[in-house]
Amino acid sequence: DAKTTQPPSMDCAEGRAANLPCNHSTISGNEYVYWYRQIHSQGPQYIIHGLKNNETNEMASLIITEDRKSSTLILPHATLRDTAVYYCIVLNSGGSNYKLTFGKGTLLTVNP
Amino acid sequence: DTAVSQTPKYLVTQMGNDKSIKCEQNLGHDTMYWYKQDSKKFLKIMFSYNNKELIINETVPNRFSPKSPDKAHLNLHINSLELGDSAVYFCASSLPGQGIEAFFGQGTRLTVV
Repeated sequence: DAKTTQPPSMDCAEGRAANLPCNHSTISGNEYVYWYRQIHSQGPQYIIHGLKNNETNEMASLIITEDRKSSTLILPHATLRDTAVYYCIVLNSGGSNYKLTFGKGTLLTVNP
Repeated sequence: DTAVSQTPKYLVTQMGNDKSIKCEQNLGHDTMYWYKQDSKKFLKIMFSYNNKELIINETVPNRFSPKSPDKAHLNLHINSLELGDSAVYFCASSLPGQGIEAFFGQGTRLTVV
């Protein structure tokens, strides 16, 4: 029951910025946008999350449109180790019902 | 130090057997989860526990029984294993009430033959 739509795959050259889009047109006012990634054969890894404002941390930047119906995860300088499946998740934060609903995600392949 | 650790990493067993997967977290989190990733790579939540109390049970067969002896541990016991139980099982933990970041273990690949 993922509330998001992502392209199934993308390619990026090593050292360039990777921009991963996500549509979440049915997002409601108190729902956050989260990004996780899963490197092959590993557990999912948290990247970043946001509500309305753009966010940046040591891993990535998150750009959320003003109407909040879409967002873009930016990896500023992609490396080969960033090859992974990236999941965009809409989550009603708070409470103990923290239930991540993973969709199919985007397989990002970083090429040398 | 591994934040969320699962054992074993690989488990191969015959149909009908009973097996357990153990999970421990050293992050001081109150909430722990089990997720299942099937052959099509879909990740789905199975259970969540908050401070040893069951919070979420996503219509998982009764053959699956989570047990939380304390808030740092959430084990998954599976009875009468079936071929369709073959999957990668991930344990995770997070702080309750914030839902900011969940930490996942490295997974247990269960193969039922």
